[in-house]
Amino acid sequence: AQSVSQHNHHVILSEAASLELGCNYSYGGTVNLFWYVQYPGQHLQLLLKYFSGDPLVKGIKGFEAEFIKSKFSFNLRKPSVQWSDTAEYFCAVKPSSASKIIFGSGTRLSIRP
Amino acid sequence: EAGVTQFPSHSVIEKGQTVTLRCDPISGHDNLYWYRRVMGKEIKFLLHFVKESKQDESGMPNNRFLAERTGGTYSTLKVQPAELEDSGVYFCASSLRQGWYNEQFFGPGTRLTVL
Repeated sequence: AQSVSQHNHHVILSEAASLELGCNYSYGGTVNLFWYVQYPGQHLQLLLKYFSGDPLVKGIKGFEAEFIKSKFSFNLRKPSVQWSDTAEYFCAVKPSSASKIIFGSGTRLSIRP
Repeated sequence: EAGVTQFPSHSVIEKGQTVTLRCDPISGHDNLYWYRRVMGKEIKFLLHFVKESKQDESGMPNNRFLAERTGGTYSTLKVQPAELEDSGVYFCASSLRQGWYNEQFFGPGTRLTVL
């Protein structure tokens, strides 16, 4: 079955620390890859996406993610986090043959000011 | 441009009652999706409409759930009768078209609590 695994349930960092959130997926075919973010009290919104081309994708607010096809991974990174990055982050996959998005269970990120 | 809207934002009902959730997609978006997140787990796909037709309803958990999209505009998701395990956040999303490059825009969700 298609699935998305996020390695960390809750991550706590201090401001200015570097961030890497792990994501692996299981699907053998062609996929679109996404990271969504939900800030407290706000909508789920798209942080960045990969469709094709350069496997290093840059998104909003200084986030980036790298697609490593051989590892079925799409890890999210940010060199220096801010208190405003406190949110829940979801990795997601959309198989090219399907219309639905398959989400991971989410990683809650807490930033200490 | 207005985003995807959902009503109500919260609903608290007792087991056995009926609840109807509403989603208004972005104007002009033919594709409408329902997802839900139960108990802090992953967000799971429920179904997908293209205009008024159900394109994929493989994620609907059982026949207590009924989704409609009459006229191809807003959609409703009815749960009848509600059970405790139906508690969670129900998200709606819409996209302009299907396919490879079409981003799904999500609504704020409806938090359903079944007591």
